[in-house]
Amino acid sequence: EDKVVQSPLSLVVHEGDTVTLNCSYEVTNFRSLLWYKQEKKAPTFLFMLTSSGIEKKSGRLSSILDKKELFSILNITATQTGDSAIYLCAVATDKLIFGTGTRLQVFP
Amino acid sequence: GAVVSQHPSRVICKSGTSVKIECRSLDFQATTMFWYRQFPKQSLMLMATSNEGSKATYEQGVEKDKFLINHASLTLSTLTVTSAHPEDSSFYICSARDIQTLNQPQHFGDGTRLSIL
Repeated sequence: EDKVVQSPLSLVVHEGDTVTLNCSYEVTNFRSLLWYKQEKKAPTFLFMLTSSGIEKKSGRLSSILDKKELFSILNITATQTGDSAIYLCAVATDKLIFGTGTRLQVFP
Repeated sequence: GAVVSQHPSRVICKSGTSVKIECRSLDFQATTMFWYRQFPKQSLMLMATSNEGSKATYEQGVEKDKFLINHASLTLSTLTVTSAHPEDSSFYICSARDIQTLNQPQHFGDGTRLSIL
């Protein structure tokens, strides 16, 4: 059975801290791994990763994939209160399988 | 960029009512649309894959007679929750995949919050 697991489930930090969110997976027919941010409505797309070892970066967010270890991380540096959200990792096969999510709370 | 419109955004109705949710791709064609359900503080659970012109594929444990899916065109899929009960209250989200870019990220609708009294 295809599985995507995220850790930690919940994280509480202060503004300015750096956080690392983890995503591990076991799937057949891997196509890509995606990271989404969800606030009050539907998820918004952050990154799509298909190749190992190539870091993708957008402002204070970055992500990398290890296809050998079946693992990805999402880093957020200098966190801000606006980063508070649920971060979802999803693996695309012929469908999109979501992980459990990490709830990040950033306090001033 | 590509936009998926989901309607309605919020429904409150009595137990026993059937509720229809629409998912439209506004500026692209989608042979495949996906329906997810999300409980509070939980992740998205795939309910079914909606294929244009054919029957939907349901995930294990999802009742096909309870959650009717119709995908009659390349831009519209509907989910009907039949004879809804309080346990069906949830956040329902659709997503669509552009026929031209199968390996690109799916686009999500804004979701429908369903509350059954």
